[in-house]
Amino acid sequence: AAGVIQSPRHLIKEKRETATLKCYPIPRHDTVYWYQQGPGQDPQFLISFYEKMQSDKGSIPDRFSAQQFSDYHSELNMSSLELGDSALYFCASSLVDRGTTEAFFGQGTRLTVV
Amino acid sequence: SQQGEEDPQALSIQEGENATMNCSYKTSINNLQWYRQNSGRGLVHLILIRSNEREKHSGRLRVTLDTSKKSSSLLITASRAADTASYFCATPSGGYNKLIFGAGTRLAVHP
Repeated sequence: AAGVIQSPRHLIKEKRETATLKCYPIPRHDTVYWYQQGPGQDPQFLISFYEKMQSDKGSIPDRFSAQQFSDYHSELNMSSLELGDSALYFCASSLVDRGTTEAFFGQGTRLTVV
Repeated sequence: SQQGEEDPQALSIQEGENATMNCSYKTSINNLQWYRQNSGRGLVHLILIRSNEREKHSGRLRVTLDTSKKSSSLLITASRAADTASYFCATPSGGYNKLIFGAGTRLAVHP
C-alpha cells in the first residue's frame, strides 16, 4: 500500500539559508499535518491542511510557511534558517472525513543547519 | 511536552520480560493513541483506545485508559529485541485531529 512520502530524507543547510521540504500524502487522504521533532523531544505540531486549505496552526515560526497544492502534495518552506531549526520534520496524512483520527507518518526529513 | 508526561522516560529490560509504559494527558479526549518510533524514523500507529473503553488488546499489546485519572498505560508482553524503540502516546485535538504527543518512553530490549 502507498505510504506518505517525504523528500528529501536528509538536508544540510547553512544558517540564514532557505529549505523546502516536500510531502506526498496517501492518495485520497484529505488532511496533511507537519510536525517538528527536536533531538530527544516529542513531535510538535506545526500546521495542517484540509482539502488544500490551512486547517490548524501550531507553534510554527513566522519564518516557516507551508501550502498544499492541487495534487495534494504539501511543501514546508523554511527561511532564515537557524541552528535551532535542526530537527526531524514529519509529514502525516489522515482521512478526517471518514471520522478516523489515526495518522500515517512519512519517514521524515532530517534537517541539519550548520 | 504539549500533552503530558510519559513514565518512565527510559526502560531497559531483557527479552521475554514485559514492558509497561504510562502516559498522562491534560485535556478531555475522544480517544488516545500509541505510536512507535524506531530511532530517527517515522512514527507507526500501534493502537487506538476510545474514551469509553477501559482496556484494549492487539497481539502482544495491551492498553488501558483511565479517564478519571487522565492516564493510559501500554503493556508489551514477552518483549523482543525488535521492540526496541521509542513509544509515544498521542491524543487528537481540534476539528482536524492534530495529534498532541506525550514525551515518549525509550524502550531497550536486550537479547
